[in-house]
Amino acid sequence: QPVLTQSSSASASLGSSVKLTCTLSSGHSNYIIAWHQQQPGKAPRYLMKLEGSGSYNKGSGVPDRFSGSSSGADRYLTISNLQSEDEADYYCETWHSNTHVFGTGTKVTVL
Amino acid sequence: EVQLVESGGGLVQPGGGSLRLSCAASGFTFSSYAMSWVRQAPGKGLEWVSGISGSGSSTYYADSVKGRFTISRDNSNNTLYLQMNSLRAEDTAVYYCAKHTVVTPHDAFDIWGQGTMVTVSS
Repeated sequence: QPVLTQSSSASASLGSSVKLTCTLSSGHSNYIIAWHQQQPGKAPRYLMKLEGSGSYNKGSGVPDRFSGSSSGADRYLTISNLQSEDEADYYCETWHSNTHVFGTGTKVTVL
Repeated sequence: EVQLVESGGGLVQPGGGSLRLSCAASGFTFSSYAMSWVRQAPGKGLEWVSGISGSGSSTYYADSVKGRFTISRDNSNNTLYLQMNSLRAEDTAVYYCAKHTVVTPHDAFDIWGQGTMVTVSS
């Protein structure tokens, strides 16, 4: 089954941009993934579904500052005009053969 | 408003302890969507536990809970359940119910509940 690799942390200044990466394991580079945000002490929130083509479909109410893109086995989440409320853990997720897999999450710090 | 509200968490002793979680759904046609349970141990990441199709006819489990947990749903009452038996310390986590975007659990989660805490300890 696929493995999703994420870096453990990222940081950027208020008002700047940050690009998070989720890498699919070998043999699974065409998989669709989803990005979820988890603010401290809160439940996860669905952000978007992202295809290998780079096409993405955001959840209801997700700000325009959040966008997705893809390159090969890499799936990206870009947060533009970073706000203090964007400080959170970000998880990528995919599904395969009746199971779901999550990445280990990236903690984003807003400086 | 689409909403998922979990209940039933608590403290249970390891070994023979059991617990049943519930998830009350509202704001959407419950039977048209698959549902799953996802857990998060303290300070750790997300782990998918179990999923069920919209009709309830198909169920799926992570290897870590297979044979101990049972997922079910009552579409007439818009409620999802997770029966947890033979609980272990490593089952300690916040349990979230999550709605899929389609009738089978072969797509992303687009709605999450607020979670319910399960603690397995003596």
